[in-house]
Amino acid sequence: GQNIDQPTEMTATEGAIVQINCTYQTSGFNGLFWYQQHAGEAPTFLSYNVLDGLEEKGRFSSFLSRSKGYSYLLLKELQMKDSASYLCAVREGNKLVFGAGTILRVKS
Amino acid sequence: GAVVSQHPSRVICKSGTSVKIECRSLDFQATTMFWYRQFPKQSLMLMATSNEGSKATYEQGVEKDKFLINHASLTLSTLTVTSAHPEDSSFYICSAVPGQGGYRETQYFGPGTRLLVL
Repeated sequence: GQNIDQPTEMTATEGAIVQINCTYQTSGFNGLFWYQQHAGEAPTFLSYNVLDGLEEKGRFSSFLSRSKGYSYLLLKELQMKDSASYLCAVREGNKLVFGAGTILRVKS
Repeated sequence: GAVVSQHPSRVICKSGTSVKIECRSLDFQATTMFWYRQFPKQSLMLMATSNEGSKATYEQGVEKDKFLINHASLTLSTLTVTSAHPEDSSFYICSAVPGQGGYRETQYFGPGTRLLVL
């Protein structure tokens, strides 16, 4: 079966660093995505990992360990606009299976 | 970047009526598009995969006769919710994959359509 786990909510302070973890158990694996979703809006693409290791893109980095079924999204220099839901999604074949999302609240 | 549009963005309809939602890839061709549904505070659930020129592939538990999908061209897929009921009220989101829809391609999401059935 498919199982993708993320923390439900996290709170962090403006300017700080936050790490959002995602663990997965899926029948197939063709890469892991992170999306950002603001309330009432569609998800926007943040990062994609298919090989083990760290992918860095500006303030956002994503890490993948396939052997552990584990990924994290790292957000640096947090800004208030980073308050959103962060979705971890695993691609199986050409389909995406989403986790329930982590609501991140950034406080000043 | 790849842009996907949806229309309408918001619709309110009476129970028993049908609603059509359009999904367009504006600056790329998409052999494959996907339709998702998202209930409040829940994640996206895949409803069906829309394939240009062929029948859609529905996920388990999704009624194909209720949610009609037509992928008429490489830039347009439509989802029609037939005989809508209040429990169909949700946020419907489409996504499109540039190119041939190979497994290495990233999905780009439309802005979503909020459906409220009274």
